[in-house]
Amino acid sequence: GAGVSQTPSNKVTEKGKYVELRCDPISGHTALYWYRQSLGQGPEFLIYFQGTGAADDSGLPNDRFFAVRPEGSVSTLKIQRTERGDSAVYLCASSYERARGNEQFFGPGTRLTVL
Amino acid sequence: SQQGEEDPQALSIQEGENATMNCSYKTSINNLQWYRQNSGRGLVHLILIRSNEREKHSGRLRVTLDTSKKSSSLLITASRAADTASYFCATDPDTDKLIFGTGTRLQVFP
Repeated sequence: GAGVSQTPSNKVTEKGKYVELRCDPISGHTALYWYRQSLGQGPEFLIYFQGTGAADDSGLPNDRFFAVRPEGSVSTLKIQRTERGDSAVYLCASSYERARGNEQFFGPGTRLTVL
Repeated sequence: SQQGEEDPQALSIQEGENATMNCSYKTSINNLQWYRQNSGRGLVHLILIRSNEREKHSGRLRVTLDTSKKSSSLLITASRAADTASYFCATDPDTDKLIFGTGTRLQVFP
């Protein structure tokens, strides 16, 4: 079956612009995660959805970052007024039911470059 | 913030040799997982070890966990060029999110 997909694979934008990154999780997975990975670092947690609701958004760096999952499937990460420091690979993952103790399945990521 | 640190940061070996990577973490955990990442993109789950387990095997992989030392090791036996990748440990200390370490970059030469 299909894995986690993310679009676009690459996004180049200018400082101050708004961007949306999309994640399609594996069908039937209720848990969805967003991570951000900077060069040479491990992924850093941003936000976790269980169904439609954000169960934990403690990793969002500031109020320019927002994510939604209105129907409990596809999720969109939204970044307003982008800054050069937002440049990173944004990874989405999903897992069956709650993720504690369960494998997370990752998408290929979206590489965001803010000029 | 990163929960753990992998050691070494980089490792270069010849095909057929064994590769050992270590992970240290800071807080108590429920589980520890190892992931592999090629070319800085999607991660692939390798193995999960629970906090009440000490050792686990999967094919050429062997993982150990020492909760008293807050450390884990990943051993890849008889390495292949295709094992070249970055390897990360990840823990779920108290919630459903994963906290990743800084990673070990493994290079296996043919």
